[in-house]
Amino acid sequence: DQQVKQNSPSLSVQEGRISILNCDYTNSMFDYFLWYKKYPAEGPTFLISISSIKDKNEDGRFTVFLNKSAKHLSLHIVPSQPGDSAVYFCAARRDYKLSFGAGTTVTVRA
Amino acid sequence: KAGVTQTPRYLIKTRGQQVTLSCSPISGHRSVSWYQQTPGQGLQFLFEYFSETQRNKGNFPGRFSGRQFSNSRSEMNVSTLELGDSALYLCASSPLGTSSSADTQYFGPGTRLTVL
Repeated sequence: DQQVKQNSPSLSVQEGRISILNCDYTNSMFDYFLWYKKYPAEGPTFLISISSIKDKNEDGRFTVFLNKSAKHLSLHIVPSQPGDSAVYFCAARRDYKLSFGAGTTVTVRA
Repeated sequence: KAGVTQTPRYLIKTRGQQVTLSCSPISGHRSVSWYQQTPGQGLQFLFEYFSETQRNKGNFPGRFSGRQFSNSRSEMNVSTLELGDSALYLCASSPLGTSSSADTQYFGPGTRLTVL
């Protein structure tokens, strides 16, 4: 049962533009949401997170938005840079356990 | 501070064999979690250990087991390997093992297991 879904397997964006990654979840008991970035042959790297009691968290070029009523969160990257090309995983936490989406591959074009 | 380390990085086994993977968490981290990553499946949670006790378990068969030592290092074992066990196995550690918003999991580079 996939409780966290990333319906877009890939995203291509021009350098300098905004990247918007989306994630949907089904379990209303998740208390914390995270985004991870993964390069090939490396483990996922923590990017940004948001508590279920908030609706927005910003860290530099990265902003995460949470819409609890829609069970939806999104990650905005502004402006997109070539080094942002990677796989991005959305994750949701409950009881020390992270449930991950299948990932979205972002390609930033020069 | 050194990051999460996993050994070995690559492993090739044949069906029916067993394998043990090792994870050393970030110094001071007490919680260690294991995940399996396969193409198209994302990361699937295997189990989580805290203070040498398995605290949470995912939906994997009993062939997958683990343990944690007093220094927080953890091992994962897979017995009677199947072709479908071929995957990247990731270990993640967190400082407190609590539900605190600050208790983020940090991942190691993973062990790439290939079962022939």
